[in-house]
Amino acid sequence: AQSVTQPDIHITVSEGASLELRCNYSYGATPYLFWYVQSPGQGLQLLLKYFSGDTLVQGIKGFEAEFKRSQSSFNLRKPSVHWSDAAEYFCAVGVSTGGFKTIFGAGTRLFVKA
Amino acid sequence: IAGITQAPTSQILAAGRRMTLRCTQDMRHNAMYWYRQDLGLGLRLIHYSNTAGTTGKGEVPDGYSVSRANTDDFPLTLASAVPSQTSVYFCASSVGVHTEAFFGQGTRLTVV
Repeated sequence: AQSVTQPDIHITVSEGASLELRCNYSYGATPYLFWYVQSPGQGLQLLLKYFSGDTLVQGIKGFEAEFKRSQSSFNLRKPSVHWSDAAEYFCAVGVSTGGFKTIFGAGTRLFVKA
Repeated sequence: IAGITQAPTSQILAAGRRMTLRCTQDMRHNAMYWYRQDLGLGLRLIHYSNTAGTTGKGEVPDGYSVSRANTDDFPLTLASAVPSQTSVYFCASSVGVHTEAFFGQGTRLTVV
């Protein structure tokens, strides 16, 4: 069955430090991969997506992610975190089994300390 | 402003009552989805519709039904609410398959 695993429930980083959020997926075919961000009390906003081509994709707000097929991973990175990046981050995979649908991970909550 | 509108924003519902959560999009997207968000579980897909007139079951469809009579509307119905359906419900839409989803602001439902 298709699934997305985000191993870290929460992460705390200092402002200005680098960030990496982990994501592993399980899907037999070519994946369509996404990262979304959710601020408190808000809906989800797309940060970036990978469909094909260059495995390093750039997104909004200075985020990037790298697709590694051999590791079934799609980790999100940012070189320097800002306090406004504190939010919950969701990795997702688009699957085409029995109709297209997007499966989400459980999320990683990011805390930023001054 | 184009986007997805969900109603109501929040609701407290007595167990056993019937409830319909409304979702309307004005982006002419083909695909629409309903998710529930619970602490520690992320977003779980309840039902989806890839195009008007078709629907499909997601990961957690029991106790919920949907219809897609036209492109814009995708209501979610709880026929007889139970406390385990207390959650935040998000409606989303996408242009088509393999494209990003746009989300509404959510409906916070409490079943007591």
